[in-house]
Amino acid sequence: DSGVTQTPKHLITATGQRVTLRCSPRSGDLSVYWYQQSLDQGLQFLIQYYNGEERAKGNILERFSAQQFPDLHSELNLSSLELGDSALYFCASSDDRGSDTQYFGPGTRLTVL
Amino acid sequence: DQQVKQNSPSLSVQEGRISILNCDYTNSMFDYFLWYKKYPAEGPTFLISISSIKDKNEDGRFTVFLNKSAKHLSLHIVPSQPGDSAVYFCAASDSGGSNYKLTFGKGTLLTVNP
Repeated sequence: DSGVTQTPKHLITATGQRVTLRCSPRSGDLSVYWYQQSLDQGLQFLIQYYNGEERAKGNILERFSAQQFPDLHSELNLSSLELGDSALYFCASSDDRGSDTQYFGPGTRLTVL
Repeated sequence: DQQVKQNSPSLSVQEGRISILNCDYTNSMFDYFLWYKKYPAEGPTFLISISSIKDKNEDGRFTVFLNKSAKHLSLHIVPSQPGDSAVYFCAASDSGGSNYKLTFGKGTLLTVNP
């Protein structure tokens, strides 16, 4: 158990809809990272938050957004969903105190029909 | 442009023997490297890491070797056990800035046969 939790575990929705994925980092970790893993791609970095502030963006679509709340949990919002958004979405956290090691949650499997 | 490459999609070894998983990178700014293991329907599990100031790091049955001049790293598992069967991901980061995002390879499926 990495200490990172994600909900829900599975999500099935229709094209055009909006969903929210939730992540709680390990106790004490200030950084939260979101990654997407689709069938034909490896794990792709989407976005990072550090102590409530956006720190870096990767290959994140404009239809996607994220935020980190004062209690450090984070939410990834996916809107106007398309079939190609079906993927595993992972959250990871780290303490960013001299170590780059990130600990991953179990992921949310999103299926867009 | 794939900055981290794992050229072997799969590897099969006998229980008790050594497993060697390889990874190449192209970005010379990467200075921290990690290996993760992933079972189906689970998140990646951190295994071992190495900083670019070292060329070897050991943790139990797992050893990671880094060859900076060749931009190559490898993970050795000795002895291999059936429970090691999983997908192994190599990842790298550039910690020069304040962003520690990881760049992953596409993974190698390791199968350890009893």
